[in-house]
Amino acid sequence: GEDVEQSLFLSVREGDSSVINCTYTDSSSTYLYWYKQEPGAGLQLLTYIFSNMDMKQDQRLTVLLNKKDKHLSLRIADTQTGDSAIYFCAVKSGGSYIPTFGRGTSLIVHP
Amino acid sequence: DSGVTQTPKHLITATGQRVTLRCSPRSGDLSVYWYQQSLDQGLQFLIQYYNGEERAKGNILERFSAQQFPDLHSELNLSSLELGDSALYFCASSVDPGQGEKLFFGSGTQLSVL
Repeated sequence: GEDVEQSLFLSVREGDSSVINCTYTDSSSTYLYWYKQEPGAGLQLLTYIFSNMDMKQDQRLTVLLNKKDKHLSLRIADTQTGDSAIYFCAVKSGGSYIPTFGRGTSLIVHP
Repeated sequence: DSGVTQTPKHLITATGQRVTLRCSPRSGDLSVYWYQQSLDQGLQFLIQYYNGEERAKGNILERFSAQQFPDLHSELNLSSLELGDSALYFCASSVDPGQGEKLFFGSGTQLSVL
């Protein structure tokens, strides 16, 4: 089945850009998502990209997809302390109804 | 607020007991998913229902079962509980499987088995 990998931690300074990376294994992946989980809350869908796209921008968020390398990234511009959270990459393969989630990257933003 | 309601928020029980977790999906969503989140396993998919029918099964133990009722709310039943079942259990809903599965998550039920 699909395997989704993320690094566990990322620490950045307020105002800098954050880049969270994700790799996956299934080349038939169709939809790729980024979710955000704040303490004590459920996961919230931030953005998603179709596999036929290379990039998607939504305000401070930029998603880049490299299908050849099976690599997905989320860039957060001008990172704020309120962006501190766990960010999950999720990937849905063509033959499945179920997105597979990575283990999440804890983003720590310090002043 | 995602529109997905989970009750209870916290549950403390003993080994060997049985509990029921409840989920009300967003208005109009036909599909319900159950996930288990723990530190060692991450976010694990358990089971999915669509309009009352089981659609997909993941790493769900035989001691666990679920159902989706005609009003579309869902219940996850956990029995013969073990210490290792302590985790955060999430319900999520989506409109239409096969169209991108954009999931909306509830805030979870924190289960502690003592």
